[in-house]
Amino acid sequence: KQEVTQIPAALSVPEGENLVLNCSFTDSAIYNLQWFRQDPGKGLTSLLLIQSSQREQTSGRLNASLDKSSGRSTLYIAASQPGDSATYLCAVEETTDSWGKLQFGAGTQVVVTP
Amino acid sequence: DAGVIQSPRHEVTEMGQEVTLRCKPISGHDYLFWYRQTMMRGLELLIYFNNNVPIDDSGMPEDRFSAKMPNASFSTLKIQPSEPRDSAVYFCASSLRTDRGQETQYFGPGTRLLVL
Repeated sequence: KQEVTQIPAALSVPEGENLVLNCSFTDSAIYNLQWFRQDPGKGLTSLLLIQSSQREQTSGRLNASLDKSSGRSTLYIAASQPGDSATYLCAVEETTDSWGKLQFGAGTQVVVTP
Repeated sequence: DAGVIQSPRHEVTEMGQEVTLRCKPISGHDYLFWYRQTMMRGLELLIYFNNNVPIDDSGMPEDRFSAKMPNASFSTLKIQPSEPRDSAVYFCASSLRTDRGQETQYFGPGTRLLVL
């Protein structure tokens, strides 16, 4: 059974520092990996989607890498801002008959202090 | 597009009552997902549909839970009878499958359910 782990569970950094969030998964037979952001009391917002054939994706200050063989993904957020404070979740879609089914990690709660 | 719409946003009910949660997916999306989020268990997939047909309901916790999708623009998740342990935030999400594969899921704002 696929297990998705995110470490650390919580992270606090001063504004301007780079953020590094980690995600690991136990079964490398994935179709894609996605990173989401969740603000308190809100739904999830997709940040980046990396197909299994890709090694990274970038959007503005965000960069996500994927290493399928080692079962790891890293989300980098450059020059963090207080507005980046949120919970970040990663999720994998497996290459099974269940297309579209995502397995989520528990998330990393990020606080960026001014 | 208005995004995924869920109603109600908040629901407080008493144990034993029937609860119905509603979802309108993004127009044109062919997949619809129901999730439950709690502090203890995180985000769990309950059931999902493809072209209005339930594909995988293995996450539905008990027979007290049921979900329907009568058409492409509407889905319901029903709990009957409700219990205090059903208290959680319930999210609906939708996505589209394209030639490139599965596109990202778009989440609604959630329904915060409290069963007393």
